[in-house]
Amino acid sequence: EADIYQTPRYLVIGTGKKITLECSQTMGHDKMYWYQQDPGMELHLIHYSYGVNSTEKGDLSSESTVSRIRTEHFPLTLESARPSHTSQYLCASSAMDRNTEAFFGQGTRLTVV
Amino acid sequence: AQSVAQPEDQVNVAEGNPLTVKCTYSVSGNPYLFWYVQYPNRGLQFLLKYITGDNLVKGSYGFEAEFNKSQTSFHLKKPSALVSDSALYFCAVRAKAAGNKLTFGGGTRVLVKP
Repeated sequence: EADIYQTPRYLVIGTGKKITLECSQTMGHDKMYWYQQDPGMELHLIHYSYGVNSTEKGDLSSESTVSRIRTEHFPLTLESARPSHTSQYLCASSAMDRNTEAFFGQGTRLTVV
Repeated sequence: AQSVAQPEDQVNVAEGNPLTVKCTYSVSGNPYLFWYVQYPNRGLQFLLKYITGDNLVKGSYGFEAEFNKSQTSFHLKKPSALVSDSALYFCAVRAKAAGNKLTFGGGTRVLVKP
């Protein structure tokens, strides 16, 4: 099992609320990623980071924001949740070498009502 | 830009029969290719990867994949499928030209029937 953790696993929240999805890894990986997974299963990269104080937008535009103040922590925040944000969010990390695989957390299933 | 295509949304196979999940990719430069599996309500688990060298790579749970540069393919195979192999399978590519981002295919659902 990979040492990367996401909390909460499931979240149901009302429209307009601010939420933060937590992601932590204990492997010392520099690279971290957030993916959004459609109900139809496709994965979309929404944010990534190559290290502390580094954050980049991914391939899919997202209203969420991320921060990377510590190597092991990469939280994702939605300032005002909407039903369109309902999805599965997967966090991943990898070492800097591009030939290394990424390790994934269990995911957070977010439902905005 | 790099991309990955998994042409089959679903693959059905009888238990004990060979299983193949197809993947083709498009990148500039040399690709690093990966296969992942996802079970219900779980994150993705790494199965195997191709970096360089032997075109046939072996991975976890009896899976293997063959890298074919001329066909830009990296199909996942298992000689004898098990019911427990039923899951979602994702192919992914990473290349220096695309900033080393990991790009996934759309996924293929595998259903192994007893």
